[in-house]
Amino acid sequence: SQKIEQNSEALNIQEGKTATLTCNYTNYSPAYLQWYRQDPGRGPVFLLLIRENEKEKRKERLKVTFDTTLKQSLFHITASQPADSATYLCAASTGGGNKLTFGTGTQLKVEL
Amino acid sequence: EADIYQTPRYLVIGTGKKITLECSQTMGHDKMYWYQQDPGMELHLIHYSYGVNSTEKGDLSSESTVSRIRTEHFPLTLESARPSHTSQYLCASRTSGRREDTQYFGPGTRLTVL
Repeated sequence: SQKIEQNSEALNIQEGKTATLTCNYTNYSPAYLQWYRQDPGRGPVFLLLIRENEKEKRKERLKVTFDTTLKQSLFHITASQPADSATYLCAASTGGGNKLTFGTGTQLKVEL
Repeated sequence: EADIYQTPRYLVIGTGKKITLECSQTMGHDKMYWYQQDPGMELHLIHYSYGVNSTEKGDLSSESTVSRIRTEHFPLTLESARPSHTSQYLCASRTSGRREDTQYFGPGTRLTVL
């Protein structure tokens, strides 16, 4: 079955460093991937989308890559800040692009 | 901040009660979704709708039902709540424009069934 896998272990990094989160997918080829941020007790908030024919996408301090050979997406936050602490979710398109399959998310904690 | 609202935000209720979780959006989106999320787990799609009078079951089996009588409103109902229904319920919507349009989420309803 279609599966999205993210590192379930929390990622702790120091302020100012680059955080790198991984998303792997198996058993299908999504047309696009999306990354969301979720704070405790809140709904996810969209951050970035990358299509299968794009290698890299940037938005301010955020960068996402999409490697269809490795079936993997990497999400980077440069110059990380404590305010970046949250859970980051990877989601892949399914159902002709009308639905999303989500990973479990990776919790990021940025320490002073 | 997305214009999608969920009420109540928190609900504690006894077994056997009927409950309705409300979801409304003011963005005119055709597509709406209900997800269930347990702590530390992924979002599971339980229902979706592509427009008025259109509803489908999602990938995760659920004992809940939904209706879509108006574009802006997508309520979820549990006829008889059980402790196994305890979870966070998230509503989302998106446009019918480009296929890759993002989903906008509400703040969620945290349901506890005693």
